[in-house]
Amino acid sequence: QITLKESGPTLVKPTQTLTLTCTFSGFSLSTSGVGVGWIRQPPGKALQWLALIFWDDDKRYSPSLRSRLTITKDTSQNQVVLTMTNMDPVDTATYYCAHGHYDLGRFDYWGQGTLVTVSS
Amino acid sequence: DIQMTQSPSSLSASIGDRVTITCRASQSIINYLNWYQQTSGKAPKLLIYAASSLQSGVPSRFSGSGYGTDFTLTISSLQPEDFATYFCQQSYISPWTFGQGTKVEIK
Repeated sequence: QITLKESGPTLVKPTQTLTLTCTFSGFSLSTSGVGVGWIRQPPGKALQWLALIFWDDDKRYSPSLRSRLTITKDTSQNQVVLTMTNMDPVDTATYYCAHGHYDLGRFDYWGQGTLVTVSS
Repeated sequence: DIQMTQSPSSLSASIGDRVTITCRASQSIINYLNWYQQTSGKAPKLLIYAASSLQSGVPSRFSGSGYGTDFTLTISSLQPEDFATYFCQQSYISPWTFGQGTKVEIK
């Protein structure tokens, strides 16, 4: 059974760095073809793909946010960490992590999401 | 980035209706197209991948079709639990962009 859960601060101040951790079970990020991605959703708005890391440490980023994002994995701890620098109120959103496939690129298991509010 | 455009943005339908949602890509994405369902306050759920493959556990009233730039999600007979927002997503080229969503409401 695959599960994922996001953790991190619920409130950050403008200009601060956000660090989110995705802790998962039921699969290994050392298995060929497997990836973990981050997707966010501002309140009432559409999903926005942020970043993705694959089993071989291949990393992909949203070009519009590339300068602010870093994604890393700790295979032994079954965790993926996303950092986003220079947070702004427009970054207020629910942040999801999800299990992905290199082949055909689908996200088939999602965490429950964590709401991050950016406010002074 | 590849732009994904869904239509309509919202629709009203009755139980038992056949519902069709369209997604258009700004360039060819072959069949690298996925559909997700999101009910209020919940995480998205994968319904269809590779344009027409039904995800395990998803009811057969959901189906997908299309190739290249134009894709369709069809619900053959709308059920109460299907009132939700639906998103398409391309996974042909990074970043794997999403459409803006289609909200299916009760008529």
